[in-house]
Amino acid sequence: GNSVTQMEGPVTLSEEAFLTINCTYTATGYPSLFWYVQYPGEGLQLLLKATKADDKGSNKGFEATYRKETTSFHLEKGSVQVSDSAVYFCALKDNAGNMLTFGGGTRLMVKP
Amino acid sequence: DAGVIQSPRHEVTEMGQEVTLRCKPISGHDYLFWYRQTMMRGLELLIYFNNNVPIDDSGMPEDRFSAKMPNASFSTLKIQPSEPRDSAVYFCASSTASVLYYNEQFFGPGTRLTVL
Repeated sequence: GNSVTQMEGPVTLSEEAFLTINCTYTATGYPSLFWYVQYPGEGLQLLLKATKADDKGSNKGFEATYRKETTSFHLEKGSVQVSDSAVYFCALKDNAGNMLTFGGGTRLMVKP
Repeated sequence: DAGVIQSPRHEVTEMGQEVTLRCKPISGHDYLFWYRQTMMRGLELLIYFNNNVPIDDSGMPEDRFSAKMPNASFSTLKIQPSEPRDSAVYFCASSTASVLYYNEQFFGPGTRLTVL
């Protein structure tokens, strides 16, 4: 079956530091890949997506590139802000249906 | 559009009581998902519907849990009887099939359930 593995948190960074959150997946075929973000007390929001190999999703300064050869979709941001403190979820959707498979989430804490 | 609406936002109940969580999906969306989030187990898909029909309920933990979608604009998740281990945040999400490859799921704000 499908699975998503994320690095465990929490990840604690100082403001303006570089961020990487690793995500690898197992799936058959060519899944679509997503990063969702959950701010405290809220539901999940789509942050970015990529639908085919070598696609780069980007939004709000965050980027992730769909690497089929390494089955990875790592999230990066060049300079984090305190407002980026949240839980980040990597997810995939295969072609067979409409279900998302989520990773366990990674909590990011950014200190001023 | 107001987004996915869930009620109540917080629910505190005693063990053995019936709990009903409610969800109104985004108008026009034909998929509806119920998730449960806990520290121990993370985010779990409980059940999802397509055009009001349950498609996959393999994530429903046990017979105490049931979900219905009587029409396109309303769904309920019921727990009867509730137990302390049901304490969690329950999310509803909706999406729509499209000609594109992916279908973004839009999440509601969640219902935080505490069973004493």
